[in-house]
Amino acid sequence: NAGVTQTPKFQVLKTGQSMTLQCAQDMNHNSMYWYRQDPGMGLRLIYYSASEGTTDKGEVPNGYNVSRLNKREFSLRLESAAPSQTSVYFCASSPTGLETQYFGPGTRLLVL
Amino acid sequence: AQSVTQPDIHITVSEGASLELRCNYSYGATPYLFWYVQSPGQGLQLLLKYFSGDTLVQGIKGFEAEFKRSQSSFNLRKPSVHWSDAAEYFCAVAPNAGGTSYGKLTFGQGTILTVHP
Repeated sequence: NAGVTQTPKFQVLKTGQSMTLQCAQDMNHNSMYWYRQDPGMGLRLIYYSASEGTTDKGEVPNGYNVSRLNKREFSLRLESAAPSQTSVYFCASSPTGLETQYFGPGTRLLVL
Repeated sequence: AQSVTQPDIHITVSEGASLELRCNYSYGATPYLFWYVQSPGQGLQLLLKYFSGDTLVQGIKGFEAEFKRSQSSFNLRKPSVHWSDAAEYFCAVAPNAGGTSYGKLTFGQGTILTVHP
């Protein structure tokens, strides 16, 4: 099992460009999450999907959209990237909301 | 709104010494409590969690944590630190409110642990 995989590992964007961060899990988990990690701020929840077909906002959703494509895949889209979105993005999944969350290796995004 | 505070940004200990990382939370009721560890360039790995019951929780890699309701704290401890424990440690809480509140983790700012040989 690969667990939680994220692509790309690293990306550089110019302000105003768009991109989609991909996340997939092979553990048959129902719940999936997107976080961003900034120095000194820990991880902050952007969006989550409690189950296939549902998504909801987390703490910092502005500037992002998500799609729960199927049970395995949960993508995060930046429609018009801004320098404030420079961060490390982590995807996570869990069997349901209460159990342990398993994290992917992260995507490092730099917006110039 | 719930919040988590890790007062120590950076801690340095010698290998073999004991360790305690502090975590305080602010929440109306007892939340679910977690400690995660992040090695450089890696994702997060769960060390231990507390939902209810015994307030002393054992985790992986020899870590334990104690929930103290009166102090709103969930401190992480290890009796003897190994060089491989050098990493960043995050305390997190989730609401104990059921429904779609499940899984909505709030993380502390993190504590970086450096281990001297």
